[in-house]
Amino acid sequence: ILNVEQSPQSLHVQEGDSTNFTCSFPSSNFYALHWYRWETAKSPEALFVMTLNGDEKKKGRISATLNTKEGYSYLYIKGSQPEDSATYLCAFLRGGSNYKLTFGKGTLLTVNP
Amino acid sequence: GAVVSQHPSRVICKSGTSVKIECRSLDFQATTMFWYRQFPKKSLMLMATSNEGSKATYEQGVEKDKFLINHASLTLSTLTVTSAHPEDSSFYICSARDLKAGGRVTGELFFGEGSRLTVL
Repeated sequence: ILNVEQSPQSLHVQEGDSTNFTCSFPSSNFYALHWYRWETAKSPEALFVMTLNGDEKKKGRISATLNTKEGYSYLYIKGSQPEDSATYLCAFLRGGSNYKLTFGKGTLLTVNP
Repeated sequence: GAVVSQHPSRVICKSGTSVKIECRSLDFQATTMFWYRQFPKKSLMLMATSNEGSKATYEQGVEKDKFLINHASLTLSTLTVTSAHPEDSSFYICSARDLKAGGRVTGELFFGEGSRLTVL
């Protein structure tokens, strides 16, 4: 059983605060790490697919880093806005798994105006 | 682009009845779709991989006779929960890959909106 852990489970921040969450995953047989944003009553939407150790990706105010050797990824949000409120999911893809993603439970972010 | 539509979003049924959930890729062809289930405060758990024109591949512990998956075309996969019982009440969500990603984030999944099933 693959273990993908996300912390914290939930987070409340004020508008303008910067924040970050963690995703930890198995460090062996790594293929890719996905981040998704899931707003209430909508479909999960991909933020990043990361494959290379040391990779850093950025999309507007959101960025992510990847350490495959120690098995963790950080997601950063700079200057949080109320529209950033969502659940952020990470998912681990093991090599040779026929694209079967293993998801964490997510981090629920609430940004207060 | 790359939209996946899932219906119904909510369904309430009586114990013993069957419920069908549809998952459509609207603007791309999906040879493979994935069905997940999520219980409260748990992570999305893969139930099965739906392959166009062939049998679905089920994860360990998922009853294939109870959760019937049909992927008859490149844009439609259906999940039928047969003889539903209260313990089948859950959130079900489908996803697909667009193999011709064309400029989008490579390799990401596109998800439907999910279906909440309540079995009375």
